[in-house]
Amino acid sequence: DSGVTQTPKHLITATGQRVTLRCSPRSGDLSVYWYQQSLDQGLQFLIQYYNGEERAKGNILERFSAQQFPDLHSELNLSSLELGDSALYFCASSVVATGSGNTIYFGEGSWLTVV
Amino acid sequence: AQSVAQPEDQVNVAEGNPLTVKCTYSVSGNPYLFWYVQYPNRGLQFLLKYITGDNLVKGSYGFEAEFNKSQTSFHLKKPSALVSDSALYFCAVRDGNNNDMRFGAGTRLTVKP
Repeated sequence: DSGVTQTPKHLITATGQRVTLRCSPRSGDLSVYWYQQSLDQGLQFLIQYYNGEERAKGNILERFSAQQFPDLHSELNLSSLELGDSALYFCASSVVATGSGNTIYFGEGSWLTVV
Repeated sequence: AQSVAQPEDQVNVAEGNPLTVKCTYSVSGNPYLFWYVQYPNRGLQFLLKYITGDNLVKGSYGFEAEFNKSQTSFHLKKPSALVSDSALYFCAVRDGNNNDMRFGAGTRLTVKP
């Protein structure tokens, strides 16, 4: 168990809908990352937050947004969902925001199925 | 930008035999290299990392990885494979100037009894 908690574990929703994925980082970790894993795209970095502030942005669609709250948990909001958004969404956390040797630890993921 | 390649989609080995999962990287400057493992329906678990120093890095579950600067490689190895090692393995890289961790496409390791 990495200590990173994600909810829900599974979610099925219809196209056009909006969902929110939640992440609690490891105790003491200030940085949260979101990744999307799909069969055709592999593991894609979406966005990173550090202590409430956006730190880095990857291949995140405009329909997606995220935030990190004062208690350090994070939420990933996915709206106007399309079939292609079906994927496994991972949250990861680390103690610091930067540092090339910084290890990030992953949660178990949230399976999103859009029908 | 940094990148990592895992040239094999699938690696099959017999239990008890040594295993190698290959990874090559491209960065400007010094590489910082990581291996993660993903078991079915689970998240990625950190195995080991190379930052600096000894080229042979030891990690969890008996895995080790060898950093080779001249060949820009960071192959994952284990002397004796177990059936329970069957999983998806990801190599990842950062350079010294960028916090963005780039992952390879993954290699599926199957260890047969």
